Amino acid sequence: EIVMTQSPATLSVSPGERATLSCRASQSVSSNLAWYQQKPGQAPRLLISGASTRATDIPARFSGSGSGTEFTLTISSLQSEDFAVYYCQQYNYWPPTFGQGTKVEIK
Amino acid sequence: QVTLRESGPALVKPTQTLTLTCTFSGFSLSTSGMCVGWIRQPPGKALEWLARIDWDDDKFYSSSLKTRLTISKDTSKNQVVLTMTNMDPVDTATYYCARMRRVTAPPDFWGQGTLVTVSS
Repeated sequence: EIVMTQSPATLSVSPGERATLSCRASQSVSSNLAWYQQKPGQAPRLLISGASTRATDIPARFSGSGSGTEFTLTISSLQSEDFAVYYCQQYNYWPPTFGQGTKVEIK
Repeated sequence: QVTLRESGPALVKPTQTLTLTCTFSGFSLSTSGMCVGWIRQPPGKALEWLARIDWDDDKFYSSSLKTRLTISKDTSKNQVVLTMTNMDPVDTATYYCARMRRVTAPPDFWGQGTLVTVSS
């Protein structure tokens, strides 16, 4: 089973600042990497698939990069609605596996 | 539009069998490539894949839970059912169903989730 490791566990950022979240896979998952946003009491929301393709209606301030084992989610200018937990998920192998999440909180 | 909704008991006793139903609309599970999966999330913890069923009735299970899980579909009713036997308090979690447009895609639409508590 592929282990996904996210860092940092918590990221404190001021509104308007840039946030950079990292995700590492225990072996190559090619570009089969997705990012999700989850707010309290809600289901995860797909942000990025294919490591860098924004899902429908996702603002351009969200961008993804990377391939193989190292991936990054960047939020260029944090808005109030972006404070949430973010998960990466590989879907190159069964079972798909999620990272432990990065909580983006208000500084 | 695509919607999914989970239903089932909120409380089960240890050793009982849990049966969850995912009722969906806006797509058909008979469409080539389409899949529905179940994912759970214990309170305050990360997400864990449980099972997936494909349009052609292929089924995939978490290796650690394989002996306890069964997934099935009723295409005419637009439903996917997950059963999990021998429930334990560690199985307390929010259970989500989700859709994938193709086997090689991540879930793009999710249900709102249903919290299942395992307690005597």
